[in-house]
Amino acid sequence: KQEVTQIPAALSVPEGENLVLNCSFTDSAIYNLQWFRQDPGKGLTSLLLIQSSQREQTSGRLNASLDKSSGRSTLYIAASQPGDSATYLCAVSGNTPLVFGKGTRLSVIA
Amino acid sequence: DTEVTQTPKHLVMGMTNKKSLKCEQHMGHRAMYWYKQKAKKPPELMFVYSYEKLSINESVPSRFSPECPNSSLLNLHLHALQPEDSALYLCASSNQGAGGTEAFFGQGTRLTVV
Repeated sequence: KQEVTQIPAALSVPEGENLVLNCSFTDSAIYNLQWFRQDPGKGLTSLLLIQSSQREQTSGRLNASLDKSSGRSTLYIAASQPGDSATYLCAVSGNTPLVFGKGTRLSVIA
Repeated sequence: DTEVTQTPKHLVMGMTNKKSLKCEQHMGHRAMYWYKQKAKKPPELMFVYSYEKLSINESVPSRFSPECPNSSLLNLHLHALQPEDSALYLCASSNQGAGGTEAFFGQGTRLTVV
């Protein structure tokens, strides 16, 4: 059964800092990995999708990498802003639909 | 348009009520999903419809009844719920079934059972 772990569970940083969120998964037979953002009480916003054949994807200040063989992904956020404060969820899909990690709750302090 | 629309945004219902949650997408996606999310927990899969047929039921109690009237619509019928069923219910869609392409989520329905 696929299990997804995210470290750290919570993170507080000053504005402008670069940061890395980590995600690991137990079964490397995945089709893709997706990073989401969730604001309190809201739905999920897709940030980046990495297909299993890809190594990384970039969107603006966000860069996600995937090492399928080791079962790891990182989300790099450059020059963090208070508006980046949210919970970031990593999810993988394979023979089953998306399985989520518990998320990293990020606070960016002005 | 990458939007998944869920209605209503908020719902309060009694344990004897019958209500329905609705989800709509116009991206031509052929897979649609219901997830349940409790506070400070990750979303948990409930149901998957692929090409308008129920393909996955994650052992969800029968008081939750999904329906897919057509490829753009997904409903979740609720009856005789319990207070512990209070949660954020999320609908999602993707281009294919399990393991397919990028999944898009709606803003959710916040359900409170009293």
